[in-house]
Amino acid sequence: IQMTQSPSSLSASVGDRVTITCRASQSINNFLNWYQQKPGEAPKLLIYATSRLQSGVPSRFSGSGSGTDFSLTISSLQPEDFATYFCQQSYITPWVFGQGTKVEVE
Amino acid sequence: QLQESGPGLVKPSETLSLTCSVSGGSISSSDYFWGWIRQPPGKGLEWIGDIYRDGSTYYGPSVKSPVTISVDTSKNQFSLRLSSVTPADTAVYYCARRLLGAPTRFDYWGRGTLVTVSS
Repeated sequence: IQMTQSPSSLSASVGDRVTITCRASQSINNFLNWYQQKPGEAPKLLIYATSRLQSGVPSRFSGSGSGTDFSLTISSLQPEDFATYFCQQSYITPWVFGQGTKVEVE
Repeated sequence: QLQESGPGLVKPSETLSLTCSVSGGSISSSDYFWGWIRQPPGKGLEWIGDIYRDGSTYYGPSVKSPVTISVDTSKNQFSLRLSSVTPADTAVYYCARRLLGAPTRFDYWGRGTLVTVSS
């Protein structure tokens, strides 16, 4: 299974609504996770099973989709949200990550 | 918490060995797999493989060098060995915990350790 994210990068401002998409090369039902990675840090689990928020993750993060098309939305971008976001399919091994989407300051 | 340890520099054709120490929980828990994931400089994440407490392993196809993941429950650690490494194995290596069963996910990660393969 291949995972393709778009865009590879985007520029946004604090307060913006941001949406990142992830497409699987075949159906993965709802087995899709999202991670956030800041420079020099380990990835952090944000959302699992498409739309379930990991404990402690702010509610401005949400996920949706099914089958092959998924999205991560940040409803109102905060300064601490500038980072790289990765999707990951958890349907079947090998576990595959998307190539990442970097959210930068506009 | 998970903490990676091991050499930061390995020569080509030699063996890369890393250990992940688990604290605050038992590696013998029936609820988790323990995995290795790497990130080449400026690139995305590659899953290397997972191991369960009984030694059962699952490996991914992305790593060309021969891979072995092992677990030492007495030390609450698990390890990664890559043989005959090449410069393409240069990466930040992360250890992570993966929940058993669906929906699985990597919920805790180590801070990562940079391994450079160079003569």
